[in-house]
Amino acid sequence: EVQLVESGGGLVQPGRSLRLSCSASGFTFDDYALHWVRQVPGKGLEWVAGITWNGRSIDYADSVRGRFLISRDNAKNSLYLQMNSLRPDDTALYYCAKDMIQTRLSVAAYFDQWGQGTLVTVSS
Amino acid sequence: EIVLTQSPATLSLSPGERATLSCRASQSVSRYLAWYQQKPGQAPRLLIYDASNRAPGIPARFSGSGSGTDFTLTISSLEPADFAVYYCQRRSDRSNTFGQGTKVELK
Repeated sequence: EVQLVESGGGLVQPGRSLRLSCSASGFTFDDYALHWVRQVPGKGLEWVAGITWNGRSIDYADSVRGRFLISRDNAKNSLYLQMNSLRPDDTALYYCAKDMIQTRLSVAAYFDQWGQGTLVTVSS
Repeated sequence: EIVLTQSPATLSLSPGERATLSCRASQSVSRYLAWYQQKPGQAPRLLIYDASNRAPGIPARFSGSGSGTDFTLTISSLEPADFAVYYCQRRSDRSNTFGQGTKVELK
C-alpha cells in the first residue's frame, strides 16, 4: 500500500522559515516524480513545486519561486520543501503527491497518490 | 499562464441524476487534463487523466471528454458517495494548474 506522510507543519511568524518533509513507502520511490500541492482550508488546490525522479528537473509555482526549495533524498525515501520568507498567504494544508507515471523526465504530472497533508499557519 | 475555469460553481442534484461538469482552458491544453474528486477532510482522488482515461479503480459511471480548451466530466448516475468537490487539472512542464472546483451537492 502506498503511503505518503507529511510532517513539519506548524505556526510560524511572517518572514521566518519552515521545512516540510514527506516520508514515502509502498512504491519504488526513486522511480517517480513527487510534488507539493497546497490548499487553503475551504478553498481550492494550488500546485506548489515538483521534482523528477532523479532530481534533474524542478519547477515552482510563480507564487513561491525564489522563496521555496524542493528536494528529495532517494536513499531515505523522503521529499522535502524548504520554505523561506514565509507570508500569511502561504497559510495552507500542504500535500505531498506522487506522479502516476514512472521515470517521467519533466515535472508535468497527474497525481495518483496523496498524503493527508500538514498544516502551515503563517501569522504573528 | 493558462487558466482553467470550472462551471458551474455548484451543482445541486439528486441521487440517480446525471452530473455534467465543465472545465474550460484559456488556451489549448491538448488532452493533458485530469479530474479529481475531493471529499471533506480527505485528500483529492484522481478520477480521469488525459481527458478521458479512467484511473485504476474508478467506476464506469465517471467519464471524461474533450480536447483543446473544453472538457467535461460526466457522472452518469449520481450515487450518495459522489457528492463532493471536483477539480480539473492541467499537466504542464511549467505549472500543473488546477481549476477552482465545482461542488456537487445534494438537492
